Amino acid sequence: EPEVTQTPSHQVTQMGQEVILRCVPISNHLYFYWYRQILGQKVEFLVSFYNNEISEKSEIFDDQFSVERPDGSNFTLKIRSTKLEDSAMYFCASRVRGGRGEQFFGPGTRLTVL
Amino acid sequence: GENVEQHPSTLSVQEGDSAVIKCTYSDSASNYFPWYKQELGKGPQLIIDIRSNVGEKKDQRIAVTLNKTAKHFSLHITETQPEDSAVYFCAATPIQGAQKLVFGQGTRLTINP
Repeated sequence: EPEVTQTPSHQVTQMGQEVILRCVPISNHLYFYWYRQILGQKVEFLVSFYNNEISEKSEIFDDQFSVERPDGSNFTLKIRSTKLEDSAMYFCASRVRGGRGEQFFGPGTRLTVL
Repeated sequence: GENVEQHPSTLSVQEGDSAVIKCTYSDSASNYFPWYKQELGKGPQLIIDIRSNVGEKKDQRIAVTLNKTAKHFSLHITETQPEDSAVYFCAATPIQGAQKLVFGQGTRLTINP
């Protein structure tokens, strides 16, 4: 069964450093998302991406964040200068165009900013 | 924007009993309501969903009901088993557009053997 994959599973970085989180969505999916979950809190939407551009972003997704689909398979989230409060689980999700609207999530990357 | 409230935050039931988790939403434009199960260290896994043109949907031991007028929807798990222990999240989204999911706070369900 196809699934969303994410790498790395855990990333530790120093405050102020840049990180890139990687995702490989399900191959025939066209919509891609990043969500984050701070420990013990709800899952929060960050950004959606369709047709090689951002279709919607939340207020969390400020100028320090960017997304890219550098090739036909990868979808990345870059945090330019990490802050302590960026420590969270980051989930990638994808879905087909149309359908019921169901989004399939990857296993997540735990980002720890020291 | 949409706001989703979920209750209870924790729920403990005896194996074999039923569990019910409730969510309310604020935006009448929302018309797709998925439920996700999250096990420790894993990503959310879609377990059942419902669209606003349907009042109830069932899949084996899991069912979801939707009351559009009252803007609330519920997850029902019958004949609970230890492997049902997890955190459950409800979410809401409009079918159109980017379809960002707005999640509830989550319910930690514990099934006691």
